[in-house]
Amino acid sequence: DTAVSQTPKYLVTQMGNDKSIKCEQNLGHDTMYWYKQDSKKFLKIMFSYNNKELIINETVPNRFSPKSPDKAHLNLHINSLELGDSAVYFCASSLPGLAGGHNEQFFGPGTRLTVL
Amino acid sequence: GENVEQHPSTLSVQEGDSAVIKCTYSDSASNYFPWYKQELGKGPQLIIDIRSNVGEKKDQRIAVTLNKTAKHFSLHITETQPEDSAVYFCAASRGTKLTFGTGTRLTIIP
Repeated sequence: DTAVSQTPKYLVTQMGNDKSIKCEQNLGHDTMYWYKQDSKKFLKIMFSYNNKELIINETVPNRFSPKSPDKAHLNLHINSLELGDSAVYFCASSLPGLAGGHNEQFFGPGTRLTVL
Repeated sequence: GENVEQHPSTLSVQEGDSAVIKCTYSDSASNYFPWYKQELGKGPQLIIDIRSNVGEKKDQRIAVTLNKTAKHFSLHITETQPEDSAVYFCAASRGTKLTFGTGTRLTIIP
């Protein structure tokens, strides 16, 4: 069984289009994340949700909007795509940390977005 | 915010030799330090982690050391094997936000 799944795996689109990436986890975790990995492999957090509530929102253009319909799903919608949005986007999930601690994050396989 | 530096960016070692990757962090309040391995075309996968109340942790051929005073931590892989070839990331966190290092591409030479 896949723990964290993302669809689609590849996404090729034109500048200016709107696209969505879906993420689902079957681990029973409360916390989910979106990361962006650029061409140099640099991995940076974009958003984090805990039990459907936004808890981390890094400096990301407001063209990016996460949506969490339930705690097992965290989707990423991107409006007016730009060339610089080309990257691999990873979804991840974890149990919430206790007393300020942190738990292992489980990553999905990634979605490679190419904007032409 | 937290800043994590990772060195080297690339590392090639002969099969059977040891590999060491080093990271430094800036936020003295960070208390969790995981290491992730990313194989080609896959998402990062946790291989070992250490919390700030521990100085060293070992799991078979992999070990991590943490020096809180100097704010640096290291990954040690002994008896390297071809399947160890991958990109390795260190990270540091306080709370739920992980800040990743820039990655090390490790190549094991048969």
